Amino acid sequence: GAGVSQSPSNKVTEKGKDVELRCDPISGHTALYWYRQSLGQGLEFLIYFQGNSAPDKSGLPSDRFSAERTGGSVSTLTIQRTQQEDSAVYLCASRIPGLNTGELFFGEGSRLTVL
Amino acid sequence: DQQVKQNSPSLSVQEGRISILNCDYTNSMFDYFLWYKKYPAEGPTFLISISSIKDKNEDGRFTVFLNKSAKHLSLHIVPSQPGDSAVYFCAGKAAGNKLTFGGGTRVLVKP
Repeated sequence: GAGVSQSPSNKVTEKGKDVELRCDPISGHTALYWYRQSLGQGLEFLIYFQGNSAPDKSGLPSDRFSAERTGGSVSTLTIQRTQQEDSAVYLCASRIPGLNTGELFFGEGSRLTVL
Repeated sequence: DQQVKQNSPSLSVQEGRISILNCDYTNSMFDYFLWYKKYPAEGPTFLISISSIKDKNEDGRFTVFLNKSAKHLSLHIVPSQPGDSAVYFCAGKAAGNKLTFGGGTRVLVKP
């Protein structure tokens, strides 16, 4: 597609349920990033993929969070046993191969609300 | 450990005047610094960047200044336009193109 696509755009869930958030990066972008933005906060790094492997997953807040990427394209971020503090906008971004200036292309985000 | 800080949560400026946004950082390993702009319900979009070896980069109405000795950068928008009203995030880039963002500054440009 023309841009980074994320789904769902909005998700309301009950505490304790599992959720899956999906990211479809720009075609040909081999690097993919997940960030989250809690209310009134900046963007917090979660995990980075190069191809299907994740060289840096240092930002995942707990073992309830996991992510995978298959076929070097779509990525799924899974949050198990959701808690209210997981409520945030989860943003996915991808990068032009070989461009190392930090310019990322972000999707519109998935807003997660945990009741 | 906030490696990137934007100390002004908001800024209000008259249309046509200069907007100056400030950002401080602590990580000396950042090799690029970037500004992103974010409208409500949209993802951030890249605005302008500067290499750590430069002290100024200009793109149209937007200029970024870097003072490495002070670990400080600023974004100047001249002249400010109502469409510039948004949240602006500064970020430092480290290895792997991992960006560390500040908390953002909300800019309101009044007509």
